[in-house]
Amino acid sequence: DQQVKQNSPSLSVQEGRISILNCDYTNSMFDYFLWYKKYPAEGPTFLISISSIKDKNEDGRFTVFLNKSAKHLSLHIVPSQPGDSAVYFCAASQKLVFGQGTRLTINP
Amino acid sequence: KAGVTQTPRYLIKTRGQQVTLSCSPISGHRSVSWYQQTPGQGLQFLFEYFSETQRNKGNFPGRFSGRQFSNSRSEMNVSTLELGDSALYLCASSIGLAGGQAEQFFGPGTRLTVL
Repeated sequence: DQQVKQNSPSLSVQEGRISILNCDYTNSMFDYFLWYKKYPAEGPTFLISISSIKDKNEDGRFTVFLNKSAKHLSLHIVPSQPGDSAVYFCAASQKLVFGQGTRLTINP
Repeated sequence: KAGVTQTPRYLIKTRGQQVTLSCSPISGHRSVSWYQQTPGQGLQFLFEYFSETQRNKGNFPGRFSGRQFSNSRSEMNVSTLELGDSALYLCASSIGLAGGQAEQFFGPGTRLTVL
């Protein structure tokens, strides 16, 4: 039972354009969501989070949007840079239920 | 401040053996969580320890166990290893706020290969 789903295993975006990574969840009790970025041979690093009392949180080039009625969140990266190429995981609440990850590749 | 460290970084074992992995959290962090990452399943939560007590548990068999020491360092043990246990095992530490609304910092992981 996958409570957090990232349906796109990979995404390829041109440098300078917007990257949009999506995440869906099923448990309406989740009240805190996080995005992590992972490079090969390293542990995930925290990127940005959002509480369920908000619908948007912005940090520099990264913005997370939360649509509670649709149980959907998305991460926008704009403009995308080659260094953003990594696997991105969304995670929900306390014991961090993770999605399967989306591999983002930024093409120069 | 030193980050989360995990030892060993790489490990090769054979089926039926047991293994112990170690995690040292960031100084001051009292919560340590363990995750298993496999290509098909993504990151799966194993368990979380806080102040030497298991506070949360995922859906893994009893062969997977852990403990936390008074200095917050944690160990994870897997007994009777199976081929499917081959994975990257990640530990993460946080200050351990109730309700989980605290950023977790991950270590580099231990790559376990079971032959």
